[in-house]
Amino acid sequence: GQQVMQIPQYQHVQEGEDFTTYCNSSTTLSNIQWYKQRPGGHPVFLIQLVKSGEVKKQKRLTFQFGEAKKNSSLHITATQTTDVGTYFCAGNTGGFKTIFGAGTRLFVKA
Amino acid sequence: NAGVTQTPKFQVLKTGQSMTLQCAQDMNHEYMSWYRQDPGMGLRLIHYSVGAGITDQGEVPNGYNVSRSTTEDFPLRLLSAAPSQTSVYFCASSRGTGELFFGEGSRLTVL
Repeated sequence: GQQVMQIPQYQHVQEGEDFTTYCNSSTTLSNIQWYKQRPGGHPVFLIQLVKSGEVKKQKRLTFQFGEAKKNSSLHITATQTTDVGTYFCAGNTGGFKTIFGAGTRLFVKA
Repeated sequence: NAGVTQTPKFQVLKTGQSMTLQCAQDMNHEYMSWYRQDPGMGLRLIHYSVGAGITDQGEVPNGYNVSRSTTEDFPLRLLSAAPSQTSVYFCASSRGTGELFFGEGSRLTVL
C-alpha cells in the first residue's frame, strides 16, 4: 500500500539556523500537503502542492514538490522559537485517502 | 462556525469495554476521516468516508467501526477496547482532496 516516509524524526536547531524536512512516497502522488502541529495541539494545514516541480513560499517557509511527484521538502530559513512543533507531510494518490508521514519534530533553542 | 468538534476530549476505558468517539462538522464537507496518533508513528488513517452512506478502510481499521448516516456526523466505535488502542484520535474533514480540518483530538487510555 501507499507509504510516506519522512526524515529526520527530530531536529534540534539554534534560533536563526535553517531547518529542512524531507518526505518520500512509495507511489506517485496527485498532491502533497504540509501540516504543523504544536505540542498538545492538532495538525493545522500549511499548504498544498499539486504540480510537478512546484515551489511555493510562505514568508520564511519554502515548499517543494519533486519532478516525479514522489518527494517533497519543507525548508525554514532562520528559525524562530515560534517554529517549534511537528511538521507532517501528507500525500494523496488521487482518491480520498490522505496518508501522513511520521513527522519531524523541530526544537528551537533561543 | 465551530468547525470539527470531537467528544469526549479524554476517556479511560477498561479492556473489553466499548465506546463511541463522536465527530461532527458544520462546514458541509463531504469527506471525513479518523486518524490515530502514536509517538513516532505520525497520523495513521483508520477509516474514512466520502459522503453519507459511504465508508472505507484506511491503514489501520481493525478493531474500529464507523458509519456515516448524515453529512455532519462520523462516529468511531470501539467494540471491545484493547490496550493497543490507547492513543490520541483525530477526526478531520475536507471539501475534497484538499485541506484537512482537524478536531482538537480525543485522548483515549485503555487499561
